[in-house]
Amino acid sequence: AQSVTQLGSHVSVSEGALVLLRCNYSSSVPPYLFWYVQYPNQGLQLLLKYTSAATLVKGINGFEAEFKKSETSFHLTKPSAHMSDAAEYFCAVSGSGANSKLTFGKGITLSVRP
Amino acid sequence: GAVVSQHPSRVICKSGTSVKIECRSLDFQATTMFWYRQFPKQSLMLMATSNEGSKATYEQGVEKDKFLINHASLTLSTLTVTSAHPEDSSFYICSAEGPTEGYTFGSGTRLTVV
Repeated sequence: AQSVTQLGSHVSVSEGALVLLRCNYSSSVPPYLFWYVQYPNQGLQLLLKYTSAATLVKGINGFEAEFKKSETSFHLTKPSAHMSDAAEYFCAVSGSGANSKLTFGKGITLSVRP
Repeated sequence: GAVVSQHPSRVICKSGTSVKIECRSLDFQATTMFWYRQFPKQSLMLMATSNEGSKATYEQGVEKDKFLINHASLTLSTLTVTSAHPEDSSFYICSAEGPTEGYTFGSGTRLTVV
């Protein structure tokens, strides 16, 4: 069984400020972890993924996340927020086997203030 | 990179009619396709998983006779919402997984049943 917890539903930051979106996971098998971004009325775009290689994963648009097994966390960060980062962000977990299902967190809305 | 095309992006239909949504992997063979439903301001709920040439596996609580899934080829899966009712109005998203590609999402279909 696997699950993802994204605490809170909304994060607001000023443009240029640090972005930190939290994700904690639970998995009975070694997990693969993902962060996706969704803009209104669009599908999901992969930001980055952890697949048991380096624990610090760099993604697109300046985002990165660190896998911490001891904390069962995979928090997403970006040093400096841009207005274009305003969107919905989903953390997801899957197993490493073929046809493994993705289990999503409930998502966090990121707002960026000018 | 891998691309998944989903059509239509928006559809409005009358109550009692059926609607077909297509999901195509454009540059890779999708061994597995996933269909999700997303309610406003909520996460993605997996409806079913389909493998090419075999029957789809539906998640608990999803009516397989109402949401017909066909995965007739390695590049095409369809979701047909039969006898649609207003409560079926939602955002439907497909995802395809190939041998070397991770999960690639379509752009989603906004279904409105009137």
